[in-house]
Amino acid sequence: EAGVAQSPRYKIIEKRQSVAFWCNPISGHATLYWYQQILGQGPKLLIQFQNNGVVDDSQLPKDRFSAERLKGVDSTLKIQPAKLEDSAVYLCASSSQGLGYNEQFFGPGTRLTVL
Amino acid sequence: AQSVTQLDSHVSVSEGTPVLLRCNYSSSYSPSLFWYVQHPNKGLQLLLKYTSAATLVKGINGFEAEFKKSETSFHLTKPSAHMSDAAEYFCVVSDLGGTGFQKLVFGTGTRLLVSP
Repeated sequence: EAGVAQSPRYKIIEKRQSVAFWCNPISGHATLYWYQQILGQGPKLLIQFQNNGVVDDSQLPKDRFSAERLKGVDSTLKIQPAKLEDSAVYLCASSSQGLGYNEQFFGPGTRLTVL
Repeated sequence: AQSVTQLDSHVSVSEGTPVLLRCNYSSSYSPSLFWYVQHPNKGLQLLLKYTSAATLVKGINGFEAEFKKSETSFHLTKPSAHMSDAAEYFCVVSDLGGTGFQKLVFGTGTRLLVSP
């Protein structure tokens, strides 16, 4: 079974530029998550989708971050414009269901460096 | 809100000696707790989970953890460290919040260093 795919693996941009990350979850997984992991910290949930609907985006900085999952499969996360403090690893995860406990499977992440 | 505290940012052991990674949790109700491992340039992998069944939980690669409600702890142990165990370990609590959908809250991580 293929795992969660993410691209690109690395990205370097200058502040105030835009950037987009892509995630393809495990086939059939209804729930998709985006996490931000700043160096030296644990991952922090940015947004959670159930199929193509948003369940939780309470920690997403909506003035600059946006995410979509239009067809309920793959997803993109965008930052516009980027700030220095956005330098982090962006992790995508998926699980088979949303309600209650279900194991989340993580992709390898995209490491973003903002100069 | 649920939270976890990992008591050590770094733990160093010699190969073949026991491993102990400490985690305390804060929860207003019976929590679900997990340990994840992150190897360099690889995705997070679930080691083990506690979801209100047996308090001693066995995971992959010889790791286990014991849920102690009286101490609000969920420490991760392994009898004998292997070089391949060197990685970052995260203690995680599940917060269902008000929606019923699971939200994972991660600790700050413990880096395990294993020397020959």
